[in-house]
Amino acid sequence: EAGVTQSPTHLIKTRGQQATLRCSPISGHTSVYWYQQALGLGLQFLLWYDEGEERNRGNFPPRFSGRQFPNYSSELNVNALELEDSALYLCASSRDNSPLHFGNGTRLTVT
Amino acid sequence: GQQLNQSPQSMFIQEGEDVSMNCTSSSIFNTWLWYKQDPGEGPVLLIALYKAGELTSNGRLTAQFGITRKDSFLNISASIPSDVGIYFCAGTHGSSNTGKLIFGQGTTLQVKP
Repeated sequence: EAGVTQSPTHLIKTRGQQATLRCSPISGHTSVYWYQQALGLGLQFLLWYDEGEERNRGNFPPRFSGRQFPNYSSELNVNALELEDSALYLCASSRDNSPLHFGNGTRLTVT
Repeated sequence: GQQLNQSPQSMFIQEGEDVSMNCTSSSIFNTWLWYKQDPGEGPVLLIALYKAGELTSNGRLTAQFGITRKDSFLNISASIPSDVGIYFCAGTHGSSNTGKLIFGQGTTLQVKP
């Protein structure tokens, strides 16, 4: 069974640009979660999507947004990139409140 | 926001030694999870705990859900070099599912062969 897959693995953008990160959940999982892991810090909750709807979001500005598609894959969009947005962005999926399973992340670097 | 205090922040031990790390919170948690993250990879679930007092093992790993529901510990027995990595505790609280898993700051484990 394939795990959670994320693309791209690395992304380099300049300040002010937009970034789009993609995630495919484990087959059968309907919930997708996004977390930000800045260097030296723990994981900070960003967004939760379930059945195509945004269910909850963390303490991040509105320029962090996303969506979930009918096939349960998801996109995370970050607009007006700032230097401090540089981090590892992790996607996780679950089904029926089961524990989260994470992908290997997208390393976003903003210069 | 909610915080999990994880300690120690880092550990450097000799191969074969036992390891213990813990997480505490000022509020009650309904679920405690322990993850391990290797460099360049996402966190991998090690153990999930769902009831106060629950003690669960996974090979050389043992974790417990504290009776007060405000803490959890993870023990690793007879450490080996591949145990190296960052260990995170995580938990959920509240009666309804918010999808929000709160993470500790991580314990970095280094094992000397």
